[in-house]
Amino acid sequence: EAQVTQNPRYLITVTGKKLTVTCSQNMNHEYMSWYRQDPGLGLRQIYYSMNVEVTDKGDVPEGYKVSRKEKRNFPLILESPSPNQTSLYFCASSLTPGLAYTYEQYFGPGTRLTVT
Amino acid sequence: AQSVTQLDSHVSVSEGTPVLLRCNYSSSYSPSLFWYVQHPNKGLQLLLKYTSAATLVKGINGFEAEFKKSETSFHLTKPSAHMSDAAEYFCVVSVLSNDYKLSFGAGTTVTVRA
Repeated sequence: EAQVTQNPRYLITVTGKKLTVTCSQNMNHEYMSWYRQDPGLGLRQIYYSMNVEVTDKGDVPEGYKVSRKEKRNFPLILESPSPNQTSLYFCASSLTPGLAYTYEQYFGPGTRLTVT
Repeated sequence: AQSVTQLDSHVSVSEGTPVLLRCNYSSSYSPSLFWYVQHPNKGLQLLLKYTSAATLVKGINGFEAEFKKSETSFHLTKPSAHMSDAAEYFCVVSVLSNDYKLSFGAGTTVTVRA
């Protein structure tokens, strides 16, 4: 089954304790992205990756890191989490956007993070 | 830069009546436009997309949307709401530039009354 998986699905942590949220896709997609969802704000892009070893900032990258060492995996790293990073996080993947049109993004189930 | 405005944060309809979710966008270039649906505690699922082909786009579960360039709108409709349509809906715009970003609207929550 084609899917994007995220782990963990729920996480409660304390300020300053480093954490990693994993994301993996089995569709051989080049493009992967991380979003955070906050009430009334829709989804905002944190980082995205066009391919292995190629990453770029989205709209809200502060406090986050990513890496793309393998095509299927795109972990999100919070080196020193703060309460304002409490949110619902989604990973997504797609074929590489081309000149003609943008491909559908496939979303993971989400990770609900609470930082106290 | 592009942006998306969903004109209603909440829409409540009776089962069997039409649904209209309004979306306006701004973009300097020809956009790709999407509607996604998010059911409670689920990820986002694509309903339909517009990518410069037919202006009336049909999606899954009886939804459709019409791209109106002159009005910069991409409203989502369904002739007859079902209880399973209760969810949050996001209008999304993408413009092919150097950064391949998607811009999401704030979302519209749909409630369906029996």
